Amino acid sequence: QKEVEQNSGPLSVPEGAIASLNCTYSDRGSQSFFWYRQYSGKSPELIMSIYSNGDKEDGRFTAQLNKASQYVSLLIRDSQPSDSATYLCAVHSGGYQKVTFGTGTKLQVIP
Amino acid sequence: GAVVSQHPSWVICKSGTSVKIECRSLDFQATTMFWYRQFPKQSLMLMATSNEGSKATYEQGVEKDKFLINHASLTLSTLTVTSAHPEDSSFYICSASSGRAPDTQYFGPGTRLTVL
Repeated sequence: QKEVEQNSGPLSVPEGAIASLNCTYSDRGSQSFFWYRQYSGKSPELIMSIYSNGDKEDGRFTAQLNKASQYVSLLIRDSQPSDSATYLCAVHSGGYQKVTFGTGTKLQVIP
Repeated sequence: GAVVSQHPSWVICKSGTSVKIECRSLDFQATTMFWYRQFPKQSLMLMATSNEGSKATYEQGVEKDKFLINHASLTLSTLTVTSAHPEDSSFYICSASSGRAPDTQYFGPGTRLTVL
């Protein structure tokens, strides 16, 4: 069974700091990796996708992928209270297979 | 782009009634739609996957006769909760992906169902 593991948190960081969210996955053949943000009571929102080893930056967000270690992370620079949410890691193994979601890490940014 | 809508956003019904939830992709053709359920403070649970024009594939433990899914077109899928009971009260969320990017799911805003 394909698994995606995340620390449930909460991860608390002070405003302005860097928040680091981590995710590991079990299927070595996974090809696509996503980070979703879910505010309490709302549905998930896609914020980043990454397909190749290395870093991908988009504004204050940086996704990092290391396929050899089966590890993907999300860095949020200059964290803001509005970043407080649950962050879901999602992994896709190619073709028309379904995406596997992690259980999410709750991030709290303290003003 | 990649906007998915759901209707209704919330619904309250009496036990024993059926409730239909619509999921629409507004600006792309959704070859595959997914239905999730999420209980408070819990993670997303995939209920079923539907491809346009074919029968839905249900996850283990999800009753297909209770949760009827119809994906009649490339922009519309419906979930009908039949004979709803209080334990069916939950947050139901659909997502959709296109044939060009089957790995990327875009979520609708969700429907909060309360069964009295």
